[in-house]
Amino acid sequence: GNSVTQMEGPVTLSEEAFLTINCTYTATGYPSLFWYVQYPGEGLQLLLKATKADDKGSNKGFEATYRKETTSFHLEKGSVQVSDSAVYFCALIDGGGADGLTFGKGTHLIIQP
Amino acid sequence: DAGVIQSPRHEVTEMGQEVTLRCKPISGHNSLFWYRQTMMRGLELLIYFNNNVPIDDSGMPEDRFSAKMPNASFSTLKIQPSEPRDSAVYFCASSPNRVGGTEAFFGQGTRLTVV
Repeated sequence: GNSVTQMEGPVTLSEEAFLTINCTYTATGYPSLFWYVQYPGEGLQLLLKATKADDKGSNKGFEATYRKETTSFHLEKGSVQVSDSAVYFCALIDGGGADGLTFGKGTHLIIQP
Repeated sequence: DAGVIQSPRHEVTEMGQEVTLRCKPISGHNSLFWYRQTMMRGLELLIYFNNNVPIDDSGMPEDRFSAKMPNASFSTLKIQPSEPRDSAVYFCASSPNRVGGTEAFFGQGTRLTVV
């Protein structure tokens, strides 16, 4: 079956630090990959996505590259801000089945001023 | 469009009572998903519909849980009887099509507390 594994949190960084949140996946088909962000008290919002190998998704300074050879989709940002504090979820949809999104457990990111 | 609308935002109920959560998907979306979020288990897919038809309910934890989608603009998730371990945030999400590559759009969730 499909699964997503992401690094455990919380991750605590100082403002302007470099961010990496690791995500690896297992899929039976050829998945599309997503990063969602959840701010306190809110639902999940799509942050970025990539639908095929070597695609790079980017938004709000965040980037992630679809690496088929390592089955990874790591999230990066060069300089984080306090407003980036949230929970980040890596997710996939299997291109062959579309059984809804499969999510990782989420990584709580805390940015300190 | 107002996005996915869920109601109520918060629900507190006593153990044994029936709870009904409601969802209005984005107009034109033909897939609808119900998720449950807890600290212990993260986000779990409970059930999803395509064109109002339940496709996969294998994530529904027990027979106490049921979901319906009587039309394209409305879905309910019912728990009867409710138990304290059902306390969680329940999210509804909709998607414009069933094939992979299209993201889901989430509502703001219903925080359920069963005491």
